[in-house]
Parts: sequence; structure tokens; C-alpha cells
Amino acid sequence: QVQLVESGGGVVQPGRSLRLSCAASGFTFSSYGMHWVRQAPGKGLEWVAVIWYDGSKKYYGDSVKGRFTISRDNSKNTLDLQMNSLRAEDSAVYYCARDRRDYKGDFDYWGQGILVTVSS
Amino acid sequence: QSVLTQPPSASGTPGQKVTISCSGSSSNIGSNSVYWYQELPGTAPKLLIYGNNQRPSGVPDRFSGSKSGTSASLAISGLRSEDETNYYCSSWDDSLSALLFGGGTKLTVL
Repeated sequence: QVQLVESGGGVVQPGRSLRLSCAASGFTFSSYGMHWVRQAPGKGLEWVAVIWYDGSKKYYGDSVKGRFTISRDNSKNTLDLQMNSLRAEDSAVYYCARDRRDYKGDFDYWGQGILVTVSS
Repeated sequence: QSVLTQPPSASGTPGQKVTISCSGSSSNIGSNSVYWYQELPGTAPKLLIYGNNQRPSGVPDRFSGSKSGTSASLAISGLRSEDETNYYCSSWDDSLSALLFGGGTKLTVL
């Protein structure tokens, strides 16, 4: 069965970096676009980034552009999110999600989420 | 970047039908599919509607979606107390090359 498992979260100081990973299993990872979506405590859903099935294209939300980098390793079935220059407002539960069609946000599977807290 | 507009709140009594709107533009809802999610505590959002009006297997037919032009709606009929939570719409924006979520609508079952 399809599984997406996030890791790498935790507490980090403002201005520092953190790398999230999403381990995929149960499907042909290299055939699907993948996204990161986050939800801050008490706030709504916010899209973070998408990467095409082959890694050839990446798009980012305005609030993370220039600070976050999405990447994937299709040989290891892993999706990563490198987060630099972290701010308090980046504190959220981060989800990886599979796009069933292409890259436009047709999510059929989500991970369980991983908490990132940016605080001094 | 949230240019999908949802009402912040909606309400209804058990058994009633409520509708939640999602307003966008030609570059998002007008050109791409709309999705609706239900917020569940402590877990990932649950997909209720995909492709404007399609229900994933397991989603009750009390939930239905529609789209017209640059707006979309989620209708919930036969309202139940367990429907009380937040609902979000989403759609890709071709101009921004970004996925947009609406700000969310908190549904209260009176």
C-alpha cells in the first residue's frame, strides 16, 4: 500500500536550517509529482512547493521562495525539503503529498505530517 | 498568496443543507480543477471532492461539488454534528505557477 513518511522535524532557532525528508513506498515514486503542504497551528493550509516526477521542474509558494528547496531522489524513493533562513512563521506541520495526475495539486495520498517549530 | 476566497464561517442545523463557496479568477478556478478538503484533528486533510465534482471512494454522497466560471461550491446535505470542522478549497493558478488554498470555512452545526 502507498505510504509517505515524513522525518526531520523538530525545534530550530530562527535563521537556522532544517531538512525534511519524505520516504515513499508502495508505488512507482518516479512516476508522480510530489508536493509539500504545511499548516501552522490554528491556521489554514498553505502550499509550499511541488517537484515534477523527474525533478525537471519545481515551483514554490511566495512565502518560501528563495529560502526553501525541494528535491527528490528517485533511486531512493525520497522527497526532501531544505529549509534555510527559517522564521517563526515557518512553524507548522509539514505534509508531503502525492499528485495523482501531474503537478497541479490533485492529491491522493498524504503523509502523517511532521512538526517544525522555529523558536529561540 | 491566497487568492481563493471562502467565507470564514458557515452554519446549519442537523439535517439541513449548507453550501460553502470558493471564489477565484480565470487563471485558477476558471482554468483548472477545484478540490475540497475537510480538516481532521491530528491527521492530514481528507479529500472530499476532486476534479470539481468527483467524490473519492468512501466519501458519502452527502458531499457534492460544483463549479461555474471562476467560482466553485461545496454542498453538504443531511448535516451531521461530525461535519463540524474546517473546509478548504484549492486550485492551481497558471499565472502564479502555484497551488492556491482558500482561507478555509469553519462549519458550525447548531
